[in-house]
Amino acid sequence: KNQVEQSPQSLIILEGKNCTLQCNYTVSPFSNLRWYKQDTGRGPVSLTIMTFSENTKSNGRYTATLDADTKQSSLHITASQLSDSASYICVVSDRGSTLGRLYFGRGTQLTVWP
Amino acid sequence: EADIYQTPRYLVIGTGKKITLECSQTMGHDKMYWYQQDPGMELHLIHYSYGVNSTEKGDLSSESTVSRIRTEHFPLTLESARPSHTSQYLCASSESRSGPPGKEKLFFGSGTQLSVL
Repeated sequence: KNQVEQSPQSLIILEGKNCTLQCNYTVSPFSNLRWYKQDTGRGPVSLTIMTFSENTKSNGRYTATLDADTKQSSLHITASQLSDSASYICVVSDRGSTLGRLYFGRGTQLTVWP
Repeated sequence: EADIYQTPRYLVIGTGKKITLECSQTMGHDKMYWYQQDPGMELHLIHYSYGVNSTEKGDLSSESTVSRIRTEHFPLTLESARPSHTSQYLCASSESRSGPPGKEKLFFGSGTQLSVL
């Protein structure tokens, strides 16, 4: 069964600190992996999209890594800010259909305290 | 910022009422989607459309229906709302030309939080 598992479920850090969120998946055949940021009461916003051949991709203070062999990805947030408080969702796409089906994780709820 | 709009943002209604959730995008995207999301849970695809007059059911069984008469408009209708329909409904869109299937960038609306009493 294709699945996307994220850890931790929730995380609290102090402003200015770094953190790393994890995503493990079993989706096959793999097409790409995305990280989204979802603020409370809002829709998800894309942070990064990585294909099989990409090991790392950055978007400002966000850096995503991908190990397609072990089917693991991480999202590293540097020098956290209060505005980083949100749910971070890992999404994996397969290439087994023309739709390119998306499998969503349940997200990691990050809270940044001042 | 994505130009995709959902109305209303919040809706509280009684059981048995008919409701329509509106979704519009001004980006000219050919593909549009409806997702359902409960707190702390993953998004589930309930409907999608590849273009005008094209609609398909998604992975999650839903009693809702959709229509795509215009490119920019993708409303979702519940004929008779029930408490089990209480959830957040997210609309999204993408453009086929922005990438191969599965790699297109998705743009989400802000969602409609529906509560059925």
